[in-house]
Amino acid sequence: GDSVTQMEGPVTLSEEAFLTINCTYTATGYPSLFWYVQYPGEGLQLLLKATKADDKGSNKGFEATYRKETTSFHLEKGSVQVSDSAVYFCALFSGGYNKLIFGAGTRLAVHP
Amino acid sequence: DAGVIQSPRHEVTEMGQEVTLRCKPISGHNSLFWYRQTMMRGLELLIYFNNNVPIDDSGMPEDRFSAKMPNASFSTLKIQPSEPRDSAVYFCASSILGGGLNYNSPLHFGNGTRLTVT
Repeated sequence: GDSVTQMEGPVTLSEEAFLTINCTYTATGYPSLFWYVQYPGEGLQLLLKATKADDKGSNKGFEATYRKETTSFHLEKGSVQVSDSAVYFCALFSGGYNKLIFGAGTRLAVHP
Repeated sequence: DAGVIQSPRHEVTEMGQEVTLRCKPISGHNSLFWYRQTMMRGLELLIYFNNNVPIDDSGMPEDRFSAKMPNASFSTLKIQPSEPRDSAVYFCASSILGGGLNYNSPLHFGNGTRLTVT
């Protein structure tokens, strides 16, 4: 079935470091892809999305490019801040299952 | 915009008791989703409603779980009887969707209810 695999965390970085969180997916057809972020004690918020191959989603300095050839949607940020500390979820909309499928989440901790 | 409102924020109950979680979606949203989050299983979709009608309840773990949406502004998730393995954070989310699921409209999540069953 359709699924999302994320790199395991926690990812621990110093402020201003470069961030990559890997995400790969398995799906039939051409799913839409998303990154959600969950800050402590809160629900998930949409961070960015891409709906077709080669699309780049971006928001708040974060970027991710929909790579159909590698079935990937890696999240990147050039310079992280302490306030970026959160759990990041990669997700796909599965047309076959008609639902949004989330990865396990990757915890990011940024230290000053 | 008040966002999705869930209550209570925390619930502690004893095994065998009935638990009711509540959700008020964002006004104007026509779809509502209940998720459960645990360390072991991550984020699981339990059920979703479109225009107050349950569309997919295949994620509901067993008959002890039930969900209702009597109107466009209110939904409940009930567990009866509760068990320790039900301990989790339960999220409600709402969205504007078309006839099928159109995820160009993002999900808006509430802050969750942390349930502890002892």
